[in-house]
Amino acid sequence: GIQVEQSPPDLILQEGANSTLRCNFSDSVNNLQWFHQNPWGQLINLFYIPSGTKQNGRLSATTVATERYSLLYISSSQTTDSGVYFCAVEKDFGNEKLTFGTGTRLTIIP
Amino acid sequence: DAGVIQSPRHEVTEMGQEVTLRCKPISGHDYLFWYRQTMMRGLELLIYFNNNVPIDDSGMPEDRFSAKMPNASFSTLKIQPSEPRDSAVYFCASSRRTGGGPEQYFGPGTRLTVT
Repeated sequence: GIQVEQSPPDLILQEGANSTLRCNFSDSVNNLQWFHQNPWGQLINLFYIPSGTKQNGRLSATTVATERYSLLYISSSQTTDSGVYFCAVEKDFGNEKLTFGTGTRLTIIP
Repeated sequence: DAGVIQSPRHEVTEMGQEVTLRCKPISGHDYLFWYRQTMMRGLELLIYFNNNVPIDDSGMPEDRFSAKMPNASFSTLKIQPSEPRDSAVYFCASSRRTGGGPEQYFGPGTRLTVT
C-alpha cells in the first residue's frame, strides 16, 4: 500500500513562531487532506489539497504532486495550534480510503 | 449543521461483552467511514459506506466486528465479544463526494476501554 511519512515527528515552538510540516508519500495520489487533532482528541479538516496551494488565515498548504510531497505552513503560532497534524492520502480515484501518516505533534509554548 | 454525532463518548466494558457504537453523519453526506485510533497503529480505516451500502470492509480486524448503516442518518459499529485489545478511540466520519468534495469530517470519537 501507499506509504505516508511526516516530519518532524515532534516540534516545540514559542508562541509567535512560524513552522513548516512536511508530508511525503510513496505514490501518486488524487486526494490529500491535512487534519489537526486538538488536545481533546477532535479531528478537524484543514485542507483538501491534491495539488497547488491554499491558504486559510494563518495556515497555508502546498502540494507538489509530481514530487510526492506536501507542506503545511503555520505562521504566528498560537497556543491553540498545539496538537497533532496528520496528512492523509487517497491513491485511487473513486476509492475513498484515506491512508494517514503518523503525524507531527506540535507544542506551542506561551 | 450539528456535525457528525457519535455516542457514547466513553464506554467501559468487561471482556466478552457486546459493545455498540453509534454515529449520525452530517445531513446530505453520502459517505460514512469508521476509523480506529491507537497509539501503536495510529488511525486506521475499518469500513466505509456509500449511500448506506458497505463498500470496503477490508480494515475490519476480525469477525467480531460488524457495521451496519440502515439509513442515511445512522450507522452502528458492533464488537461482539469485546477483548482488551479492542480498547481504542473509534471515530466516525462523513463526506459529501457527490456534488461536493472529498473532505472528511470527523465526529468527536468514542473512547472504548475493555477490561
